[in-house]
Amino acid sequence: DSGVTQTPKHLITATGQRVTLRCSPRSGDLSVYWYQQSLDQGLQFLIHYYNGEERAKGNILERFSAQQFPDLHSELNLSSLELGDSALYFCASSVSVDGNTIYFGEGSWLTVV
Amino acid sequence: AQSVTQLDSQVPVFEEAPVELRCNYSSSVSVYLFWYVQYPNQGLQLLLKYLSGSTLVKSINGFEAEFNKSQTSFHLRKPSVHISDTAEYFCAVSDKQQGAQKLVFGQGTRLTINP
Repeated sequence: DSGVTQTPKHLITATGQRVTLRCSPRSGDLSVYWYQQSLDQGLQFLIHYYNGEERAKGNILERFSAQQFPDLHSELNLSSLELGDSALYFCASSVSVDGNTIYFGEGSWLTVV
Repeated sequence: AQSVTQLDSQVPVFEEAPVELRCNYSSSVSVYLFWYVQYPNQGLQLLLKYLSGSTLVKSINGFEAEFNKSQTSFHLRKPSVHISDTAEYFCAVSDKQQGAQKLVFGQGTRLTINP
């Protein structure tokens, strides 16, 4: 158990819908990262937040957005869902902004039908 | 831009045999290197990491990896594998200078242990 908690573990939704994935980082970690794992793209970095502020963006679509709240939990919002958005979405956390080790949660499986 | 190449998508080996999973990275700056393992239907777990110092790093379950700067490689090895090592293994690199931990992952190597 990495200490990073993600909910829901599994989610099935229809195209065009919007979902929110939630992440609670390890106790004391200020950085939260979101990654997407799909069959065709592999593991890709989406976005990084540190203590509530966005620090880096990767291959995150405009239909996707994220935020980190004062209690340090984070949410990834996916809207206008398409079949290709079906993937495993990982949240990870680390103690600092340049933490050299990040710990991953077990992921949220999103299936878009 | 950084990239990671895992040279084998699948590696089948017999139990108790040695194994090497190959990883090469492309980066013009100093890097951190990682191996993560993903067991079936589970999340990513950190297996081992190279940050600085000794180029040979070890995990608690018998894996080791050696950072070779001249060959830009970080191959993962285990002298004797067990059925329980069946998993997908991901090599990853991050840029020390970026200040934000953006990991770039390889495509993964599926390790299958046969009895």
